[in-house]
Amino acid sequence: GNSVTQMEGPVTLSEEAFLTINCTYTATGYPSLFWYVQYPGEGLQLLLKATKADDKGSNKGFEATYRKETTSFHLEKGSVQVSDSAVYFCAPLGQGAQKLVFGQGTRLTINP
Amino acid sequence: GAVVSQHPSWVICKSGTSVKIECRSLDFQATTMFWYRQFPKQSLMLMATSNEGSKATYEQGVEKDKFLINHASLTLSTLTVTSAHPEDSSFYICSASTQGLATPYGNSPLHFGNGTRLTVT
Repeated sequence: GNSVTQMEGPVTLSEEAFLTINCTYTATGYPSLFWYVQYPGEGLQLLLKATKADDKGSNKGFEATYRKETTSFHLEKGSVQVSDSAVYFCAPLGQGAQKLVFGQGTRLTINP
Repeated sequence: GAVVSQHPSWVICKSGTSVKIECRSLDFQATTMFWYRQFPKQSLMLMATSNEGSKATYEQGVEKDKFLINHASLTLSTLTVTSAHPEDSSFYICSASTQGLATPYGNSPLHFGNGTRLTVT
């Protein structure tokens, strides 16, 4: 089955710092890759996705590139804001599958 | 589009009682819904897959007699925690599958409710 390893948190940065959250996955075939974000006390929201190798997903200043050769989908943002404080989850979804398997999540705190 | 409503958002109950949590897809039909459990500062653990009109499929280690799931219609799935105990206190999140649906519903394979925080005293 699919599995994912995420950078351990918590991660604490100052506003305007550069962010990288590492994610590597194990999956059969050609999965789609997702980053979800969970704000305090809420469910998960899709942040970005990539459906094939070398695709770059982007949203709200965040980016992640589907690297099949390294089975990675690292999340980056050039300049973080306090409002980016949340928990971030990486998840692969195998072809034809419906169940999303989440990484352990990375808690991000941005200080003003 | 693809709004999932989960109710209640929080509930406190006494040990030994049962609690029902509802998950509704408001603007689309969801033949498949998923129930997750999240402990503090931990990831989401998939509990079960709920299919409309059939029995739920539970993940290994999840007690199906304790966590009753009913998916009676294409827009509603319920999770009932029976005879709740303090160790059942957790954050429960439902999600509805939009696989196969046209965008914008299909932009994400899952759409999540806002979760229910259950506290058993």
